[in-house]
This record gives sequence, C-alpha cells and structure tokens, in this order.
Amino acid sequence: NAGVMQNPRHLVRRRGQEARLRCSPMKGHSHVYWYRQLPEEGLKFMVYLQKENIIDESGMPKERFSAEFPKEGPSILRIQQVVRGDSAAYFCASSPPGLIEDTQYFGPGTRLTVL
Amino acid sequence: ELKVEQNPLFLSMQEGKNYTIYCNYSTTSDRLYWYRQDPGKSLESLFVLLSNGAVKQEGRLMASLDTKARLSTLHITAAVHDLSATYFCAVDIGEYGNKLVFGAGTILRVKS
Repeated sequence: NAGVMQNPRHLVRRRGQEARLRCSPMKGHSHVYWYRQLPEEGLKFMVYLQKENIIDESGMPKERFSAEFPKEGPSILRIQQVVRGDSAAYFCASSPPGLIEDTQYFGPGTRLTVL
Repeated sequence: ELKVEQNPLFLSMQEGKNYTIYCNYSTTSDRLYWYRQDPGKSLESLFVLLSNGAVKQEGRLMASLDTKARLSTLHITAAVHDLSATYFCAVDIGEYGNKLVFGAGTILRVKS
C-alpha cells in the first residue's frame, strides 16, 4: 500500500509566479490535510478537505492560497503570486473515513523556495 | 487561541540515559499525537493517545496523557543514537476531528 505521495518534492519559483503542489492520499483515504512548516518551527494547519468539499480552511491565508480535492485526481494546493515568505515545506496528510481518532499519515512534503 | 508548548526545545543526552519530553496544551482535548521527524524528512506517527490516563509504549519510548492536567509526556529509556530526531506533539481540536495543532518540536541529540 503506497503511502501519501506528494509532487514535486522541490519547487523553485520567482516572486509573482504561481506554485501548484499535488497530493495523492493513501489508498482508501478520503480525508486530506495540508500543513505548512517554516524553518525551525512546527507544522501549522492550513486546510482539511474531503472529496469535492472543503471542510475546514481556517488556517488558510485569506489571499493567494486555495485548495481543492476533486472527485478524480490528487488534491492541489495552489499559491498565486508567490512571495518570499511563502518559502516553506508544505506537507499533505491523509486519513481514512469514519474514525476521527485515526492518526494522519504524512507525505514526504514539497519544499518551496521563492527567489 | 490554543497553545501547545513542548519542553525542552533542545535536548542533548548521552546514550543509555533516561529523559522525558513534556507537552502542555491550553484547551480541552482528549486526542493527542506524537510524531518523529528526521532532518529533511516527513513525519512518522509514533503514538495516538485518545483518553485520559492512556499510556503507550514502543521500544524505548513511552507516551502518556493526562487530560485533566492537559499534559502529555514522552519518556525515553536508555537512549540510543538512532533516537536522534525532532519529536512533535500535536493536539486535535477539530470539530470534525483531525485538526492538529503542533508544538514547536523537541530536537533530540543522543551522543555516543
């Protein structure tokens, strides 16, 4: 059973460009979460999605950031007009349906560098 | 705003010694998780603690949860070099479950 997959693993963008980060959850998992980790810090919750629904986006910046989890295909975290402060590691996690107590399984992360 | 505080933030210890990492949090929750992260890597789930008094052990690590004190501990017994990593606790505060608030992490270095 493949784990959570993220791509790309490393992404370099210039200020003002768009960044698209992809996440494929573990097989059988229908819940997806995105977190951001700044250097030397813990992870910060961004958004929680189920298929075609955003359940909780309380951690998403109000502008430039959006997330989706379509019926088919991976979850996408999109950052428009990136700025240097967006440089961070972005982790996706997934969990199976039903059990809210189950742990989240994390992907390898995408390390975004904004020049 | 929920705060999750870990201490110490950095721990250097000799092989064979014991030590405890503490995780305090500021709101009611009975779901707490411990993760390990190696440099440049993702997070690996260590323990899921779901009730007051829960205690779980895996190898040289043991985790416990006291929901009344809002405190979890991660105890390391007879440390070995392979335990060197960053350890995070995370508290679940989501209305729907699974909205994790992480502590800042404890960097553990085990010296041989």
